[in-house]
Amino acid sequence: ETGVTQTPRHLVMGMTNKKSLKCEQHLGHNAMYWYKQSAKKPLELMFVYNFKEQTENNSVPSRFSPECPNSSHLFLHLHTLQPEDSALYLCASSLFGTSGKNIQYFGAGTRLSVL
Amino acid sequence: GEDVEQSLFLSVREGDSSVINCTYTDSSSTYLYWYKQEPGAGLQLLTYIFSNMDMKQDQRLTVLLNKKDKHLSLRIADTQTGDSAIYFCAETNFTGGGNKLTFGTGTQLKVEL
Repeated sequence: ETGVTQTPRHLVMGMTNKKSLKCEQHLGHNAMYWYKQSAKKPLELMFVYNFKEQTENNSVPSRFSPECPNSSHLFLHLHTLQPEDSALYLCASSLFGTSGKNIQYFGAGTRLSVL
Repeated sequence: GEDVEQSLFLSVREGDSSVINCTYTDSSSTYLYWYKQEPGAGLQLLTYIFSNMDMKQDQRLTVLLNKKDKHLSLRIADTQTGDSAIYFCAETNFTGGGNKLTFGTGTQLKVEL
């Protein structure tokens, strides 16, 4: 148990569906992240939130829409996805300060399949 | 941009030592990390090293850092079947984008009996 909980663990959706992934951290961290992990590709950083403010959007298509209502919760809203969006979506959190040390704690991920 | 590279596969016999290597390009890296990912799970931090150190030991794990060559390694002593997983190295720097980790592609470690 890392203190970062992701739901659901598995999700199958059609290309016209709308769904949301949820992430919750109980570690008192101030930064949260969404990553995409596809087979045989490096981990891709999608979004970064510091103190609930989005500080990074790595050219992610608009069919992925993040939301961070507070520093403990992070959502990823999904709309009209493509089959190539099927992947493991990982959430992470960290306590980011000024030292540069950034230990990120990961959830178990949501395995997404787009049909 | 920053780049982190690892070999894709490593196979060892149970009881032997495993050495997983990583090279990176960012000369301003301040911290380097090793993460482990077991099947169906997220990434778990194993250990990290500050860039002004050249070695760190934690039980069966030894991290070596050669900053001149930008080379990081993770040695697992007495490798067990439970060590079979994917191992990722990652780096971060404080100068701009300090809360981003750049990950390698991961090395799949297979431990054989």
